[in-house]
Amino acid sequence: GAVVSQHPSWVICKSGTSVKIECRSLDFQATTMFWYRQFPKQSLMLMATSNEGSKATYEQGVEKDKFLINHASLTLSTLTVTSAHPEDSSFYICSAREPFGQTYEQYFGPGTRLTVT
Amino acid sequence: GESVGLHLPTLSVQEGDNSIINCAYSNSASDYFIWYKQESGKGPQFIIDIRSNMDKRQGQRVTVLLNKTVKHLSLQIAATQPGDSAVYFCAETFYNQGGKLIFGQGTELSVKP
Repeated sequence: GAVVSQHPSWVICKSGTSVKIECRSLDFQATTMFWYRQFPKQSLMLMATSNEGSKATYEQGVEKDKFLINHASLTLSTLTVTSAHPEDSSFYICSAREPFGQTYEQYFGPGTRLTVT
Repeated sequence: GESVGLHLPTLSVQEGDNSIINCAYSNSASDYFIWYKQESGKGPQFIIDIRSNMDKRQGQRVTVLLNKTVKHLSLQIAATQPGDSAVYFCAETFYNQGGKLIFGQGTELSVKP
């Protein structure tokens, strides 16, 4: 089945630093990837849609200059949290769709736990 | 619909009983719905999906029911097992959303042995 990986699985950083999270589709090419954020005991909130070779589309209220998304290849999208602050601490999850998929099913990565101290 | 700031409702069942998890969706134009299971510290896992032209779909031990009149979706789990303990989310989308999913608030299922 389709597998999506994320790296790192967890990261602790100091306030003011930047953190990069990678999302890879391991056995398929993903023209579209999605980035979500999830706070404890809450649902997944879509942050942005990442399309290979073009600029990401951000959801309302998500700062594009703070959450930089790059989708440079069909198997890799990256999310960089710039100048991280404690309120950015969260569980970040990516997902990917197969191109020309017959359904809207998304394959989710295992998530990355970010803690900003 | 959007679930920002809400906390998860919980459902507690005895092992072997059937579970029913409900979800109200927001967009009458949504034409595709998915149920996901999320275990603690992990990403969501696909359980079952249903298109809007259906009102019922069955999988292994799971059944999804769709009532478009009241915009309601339910997930039935037969013979619930301890391994079913997790948070369950419904998600909706429609064709011109480019596959963008909107997640419901989720329900935490706890199975007592």
